[in-house]
Amino acid sequence: AQSVTQLDSQVPVFEEAPVELRCNYSSSVSVYLFWYVQYPNQGLQLLLKYLSGSTLVKGINGFEAEFNKSQTSFHLRKPSVHISDTAEYFCAVPGRGSSNTGKLIFGQGTTLQVKP
Amino acid sequence: NAGVTQTPKFRVLKTGQSMTLLCAQDMNHEYMYWYRQDPGMGLRLIHYSVGEGTTAKGEVPDGYNVSRLKKQNFLLGLESAAPSQTSVYFCASSYDASTYGYTFGSGTRLTVV
Repeated sequence: AQSVTQLDSQVPVFEEAPVELRCNYSSSVSVYLFWYVQYPNQGLQLLLKYLSGSTLVKGINGFEAEFNKSQTSFHLRKPSVHISDTAEYFCAVPGRGSSNTGKLIFGQGTTLQVKP
Repeated sequence: NAGVTQTPKFRVLKTGQSMTLLCAQDMNHEYMYWYRQDPGMGLRLIHYSVGEGTTAKGEVPDGYNVSRLKKQNFLLGLESAAPSQTSVYFCASSYDASTYGYTFGSGTRLTVV
């Protein structure tokens, strides 16, 4: 069965420091991977996605993620975070039967807390 | 361009009451979804639709019903609200079933007392 595990529920980091948010997945379907961001009291926004090709994917707001098939991981990184990056981040993978339905399975979420 | 609009934004229900959450999108998307978000559990799929007039069950459908009579609208109904349905509900839509990704609404915070 398809599943997504976000290994850290909370990640505190100081402003301008680098950060990595970890995501591991298991999937028997074609691998498309997504990261979404949810700012406080808002809906989720698409941050970036991996479809095929280059394993390093760049997204909005300076974030990037690397697809690693052998490790079944899709970790999100940013070299220097800002206070405004404080948010909850979700990794997502297509669910069973998703080729005709578009269903996504979301991880539990990682709260990134950027401190001044 | 409004994207995905959810109404209402907040609601408090008494146990046993019913209500309908409305999701409207103006992007001509075929695919629409209802998720609930609970602390530490991420988002869980309640029901979804792959086109006008179609609906299907997701991961946690019990106690909910949906309808998609018009392409742009996806309604989520609670027949008899229970405290376990206290949650934040998100609607999302997508252009295709694979690579496009979702556009989310801003959510409805529902409390059942």
